[in-house]
Amino acid sequence: GAVVSQHPSWVICKSGTSVKIECRSLDFQATTMFWYRQFPKQSLMLMATSNEGSKATYEQGVEKDKFLINHASLTLSTLTVTSAHPEDSSFYICSARGGRGEGYTFGSGTRLTVV
Amino acid sequence: KNQVEQSPQSLIILEGKNCTLQCNYTVSPFSNLRWYKQDTGRGPVSLTIMTFSENTKSNGRYTATLDADTKQSSLHITASQLSDSASYICVVSSLNTGNQFYFGTGTSLTVIP
Repeated sequence: GAVVSQHPSWVICKSGTSVKIECRSLDFQATTMFWYRQFPKQSLMLMATSNEGSKATYEQGVEKDKFLINHASLTLSTLTVTSAHPEDSSFYICSARGGRGEGYTFGSGTRLTVV
Repeated sequence: KNQVEQSPQSLIILEGKNCTLQCNYTVSPFSNLRWYKQDTGRGPVSLTIMTFSENTKSNGRYTATLDADTKQSSLHITASQLSDSASYICVVSSLNTGNQFYFGTGTSLTVIP
């Protein structure tokens, strides 16, 4: 089945630094990748949608200059949280959709803690 | 407005018992409905996916039903196990705007021995 690998699974960083999270589709080409944020005991909130080779489309209220998304290949998308602050601490999850009906497959998530 | 509502918000059951989770939606035009299981601190894992023409689908001890007329779905868990403790999320896709999809807020299930 379709597998999406997300790395790292957890990261702790200092305020003001940047953190990069990777999302890879291992056995299919992901034409579209999605990035979500999830606070404790809440549902996933879509942050942005990215299509390979195009600029990401951000949801309302999500700062595109703070959350940089790159989808340079059909198997890799990255989310970079720039100048991280403690309020950016959250669980970030990616999902990928292939062009052949692989459906939506989620990564395992990244727990970001900014101290 | 396209919405997905799940009930109950949380549920506690004894190991070995059955339970049913509900999902009501107003998403239109409808494309498909998925149930996901999300363990704490992990990404969601797909359990079932149903299109308009399907009204039931099973995956082991999980059975999902869909009534596209009333826009309701249920997820039935049989002979629950401790490992079933997780959040269960209903996600409905729309045919509009590139297959946009809508998340329910989830049901938190706790199975106790």
